Amino acid sequence: DTAVSQTPKYLVTQMGNDKSIKCEQNLGHDTMYWYKQDSKKFLKIMFSYNNKELIINETVPNRFSPKSPDKAHLNLHINSLELGDSAVYFCASSQGPQGGYTFGSGTRLTVV
Amino acid sequence: SQQGEEDPQALSIQEGENATMNCSYKTSINNLQWYRQNSGRGLVHLILIRSNEREKHSGRLRVTLDTSKKSSSLLITASRAADTASYFCATDAENTGFQKLVFGTGTRLLVSP
Repeated sequence: DTAVSQTPKYLVTQMGNDKSIKCEQNLGHDTMYWYKQDSKKFLKIMFSYNNKELIINETVPNRFSPKSPDKAHLNLHINSLELGDSAVYFCASSQGPQGGYTFGSGTRLTVV
Repeated sequence: SQQGEEDPQALSIQEGENATMNCSYKTSINNLQWYRQNSGRGLVHLILIRSNEREKHSGRLRVTLDTSKKSSSLLITASRAADTASYFCATDAENTGFQKLVFGTGTRLLVSP
């Protein structure tokens, strides 16, 4: 009965590989997000989707491609992984404006 | 650019003491939110205060908002060891047409038994 679930929790991969992170929410929220948290705990928004439509794309390299097959899912595909992509990636969802976000538990990506 | 700056960066107190964290931001906002992050976990929403509100309470949490100074504070009263975590403020900027939370730098709180 987890509200926002991400898989995998940990991902270790070599430079140049392509990987995906999946996110699902069962809250019925309309909007979903991807955030990146770096080693200094700085959280930066990457993407936001509202009812499967992209509404925020924050100067993220085009190696990162989000996909939302329906409003309950927002997956993140990363091509040609680089060392600098190592971080914790968080998925979140919210219902409408002026609402709190519900976060997933994060995916720790390590690129070696 | 980073919207919120938090102060202090780290705070160490004893159980039972109060903890106060401050957040400053740069642009007009719809609302300001506070989140807690335990080590290795996701963020948990604590409280939301709207731009037309000045103070809000939730259990042992008290949040104030001063839009003229573009600042907010989070007070945790009678702290417990379980309150040990990082605390982030996040602002939802006005007039963007959609909700987009921008997070501050965070305050690491350590509550010792």
